Amino acid sequence: GAGVSQTPSNKVTEKGKYVELRCDPISGHTALYWYRQSLGQGPEFLIYFQGTGAADDSGLPNDRFFAVRPEGSVSTLKIQRTERGDSAVYLCASSLSANEQFFGPGTRLTVL
Amino acid sequence: AQRVTQPEKLLSVFKGAPVELKCNYSYSGSPELFWYVQYSRQRLQLLLRHISRESIKGFTADLNKGETSFHLKKPFAQEEDSAMYYCARRYGQNFVFGPGTRLSVLP
Repeated sequence: GAGVSQTPSNKVTEKGKYVELRCDPISGHTALYWYRQSLGQGPEFLIYFQGTGAADDSGLPNDRFFAVRPEGSVSTLKIQRTERGDSAVYLCASSLSANEQFFGPGTRLTVL
Repeated sequence: AQRVTQPEKLLSVFKGAPVELKCNYSYSGSPELFWYVQYSRQRLQLLLRHISRESIKGFTADLNKGETSFHLKKPFAQEEDSAMYYCARRYGQNFVFGPGTRLSVLP
């Protein structure tokens, strides 16, 4: 079956703009995670959904970042007033249990 | 603070040599630890988890609570093992990843 998919694969935007990053998890996976990975670093946890609700959003760096998962499947990570420091690869992962996460290919965000 | 450290950014070994990728974690409670691997142009994937006590692709990792370590080992490295390796710890549903070690296995 299809794995986790993320769109777009690359996004270039200007400082101050709004962006949306989409994640399509594996069908039936109730848990969904967003991570941010900066150059030379490991993935940094942002937010975790169990079904439609954000069970843990402690990793969101500030109120410019927001994520939704309205129907318990597809999730959108939204970043307002983007800053150059937001440039990174944004990873999505889904799972049935916390013992194994399946990662998507990531979206590379570049803020000019 | 919840931290996972991997002291080596790059580790180079020759094919057939033993390899050990180090991972240490900050102590608290009962840790659940994982190793993830990312091969060139592929997505991040689970390699192994300590609760399974399994050997995957010849790799093993033992949790040492006294030293707060979860080092990844393989007795005979192969060229196809070249990849980025990330150690991760689960805190509730929050996962903390280390910075990663790039393993390069030379012919």
